[in-house]
Amino acid sequence: QSVLTQPPSASGAPGQNIVISCSGSRPGPIIGPYGVTWFQQFPGTAPKVVIYSSDRRPSGVPDRFSGSISGTSASLTINGLQAEDEADYYCASWDTGLNFRAFGGGTKLTVL
Amino acid sequence: EVTLMEAGGGSIAAGGSVRLSCAASGFNFGINVMSWVRQAPGAGLEWVAGIRTTGGTILYADSVKGRFSISRDNSRNTLHLSLNNVRVDDTAMYYCVRGMYGGSDEYWGHGVLVTVSS
Repeated sequence: QSVLTQPPSASGAPGQNIVISCSGSRPGPIIGPYGVTWFQQFPGTAPKVVIYSSDRRPSGVPDRFSGSISGTSASLTINGLQAEDEADYYCASWDTGLNFRAFGGGTKLTVL
Repeated sequence: EVTLMEAGGGSIAAGGSVRLSCAASGFNFGINVMSWVRQAPGAGLEWVAGIRTTGGTILYADSVKGRFSISRDNSRNTLHLSLNNVRVDDTAMYYCVRGMYGGSDEYWGHGVLVTVSS
């Protein structure tokens, strides 16, 4: 089934900007009708949506978080990194061709 | 307030069965697509199964097809996942999720742990 690839780790100092990528082995999921969802997960807690439909932000999520798509890849950008942003981040998308929800392997973000 | 409360997890032997439940409240359960996602210890997220509003469309990941069964009872606002012929690699936290395709209203329960021993 389709696979989404993320870097296993990323790091940055407070105040820096960080970009986490998510690339698809098939173009369909990334550019499909539902786009890409990004989740933030702290240890021992359930994932929470920070970006949906590739570039939209739910209410309550700081505007430091943004999402974008370029070709068959999606990106999550966090501007002005803060210590509280240290968490695992996952991308996900619905593959309409395979009727399957694919998740990226996750990126562990460390704030230095 | 939206709540999804999973129950039914625990320790089971390989080859056994268990039924997970998810009690939903705070929203109109019957008009929402629901799904299950699992996370093995120290690992990433894996979509398991999904069910559309009336249960007419049910989808499974290849890894659980033929062994797991998802169902819903809209009169009781409850989602179920039956795990049959479980394997050690089914050990995971199982999350009940409102939604499946992604969206601003996607919401996850706290999860229930299933541990399969050999």
